[in-house]
Amino acid sequence: DAEITQSPRHKITETGRQVTLACHQTWNHNNMFWYRQDLGHGLRLIHYSYGVQDTNKGEVSDGYSVSRSNTEDLPLTLESAASSQTSVYFCASSAGGLNTEAFFGQGTRLTVV
Amino acid sequence: RKEVEQDPGPFNVPEGATVAFNCTYSNSASQSFFWYRQDCRKEPKLLMSVYSSGNEDGRFTAQLNRASQYISLLIRDSKLSDSATYLCVVSASGGSYIPTFGRGTSLIVHP
Repeated sequence: DAEITQSPRHKITETGRQVTLACHQTWNHNNMFWYRQDLGHGLRLIHYSYGVQDTNKGEVSDGYSVSRSNTEDLPLTLESAASSQTSVYFCASSAGGLNTEAFFGQGTRLTVV
Repeated sequence: RKEVEQDPGPFNVPEGATVAFNCTYSNSASQSFFWYRQDCRKEPKLLMSVYSSGNEDGRFTAQLNRASQYISLLIRDSKLSDSATYLCVVSASGGSYIPTFGRGTSLIVHP
């Protein structure tokens, strides 16, 4: 069965470190998204991609970057981790088009100390 | 103003009750509408899409009012297992298929 997986599931890192969160999907979806979820804010879009070599900034992109070198993967990099980036991160993918469902990974819980 | 607004709740109801959630969206160009369910510390999962004519899936009924930019979800005969956060999602405006989420409405069903 097709799926979308994130790794690691949990990570603790120190302020100032570079951190990369992995996202891999086997749906062959063109669209991929990264969100962060915090209490009181819901899911907020960080970056998204409509296909290979395409990346775009979302609502809360400062301090984050992504790259899309193939269809399956959209890694999220925190260039210099800050305590404000402690959050739960969700990756999602969709086929695009009207009424198409977005499928989510299990999430990565990141703590920056 | 947030693009998708929901009452955060929590809604605390007894088993068997009927409960309704509402959601408003600000982008009149939006074309796709969904309700997702999120259990504690888990990923969101699609509950149902919302169509202009309204649609029903078992105990769940979703309605869309484009004129008022309003979406609703009705849950009949609530079960303990319905306890979760319900997320209103809007997408597909101007060729952009980015799902935009409301903050979610928390439902607690008690015995």
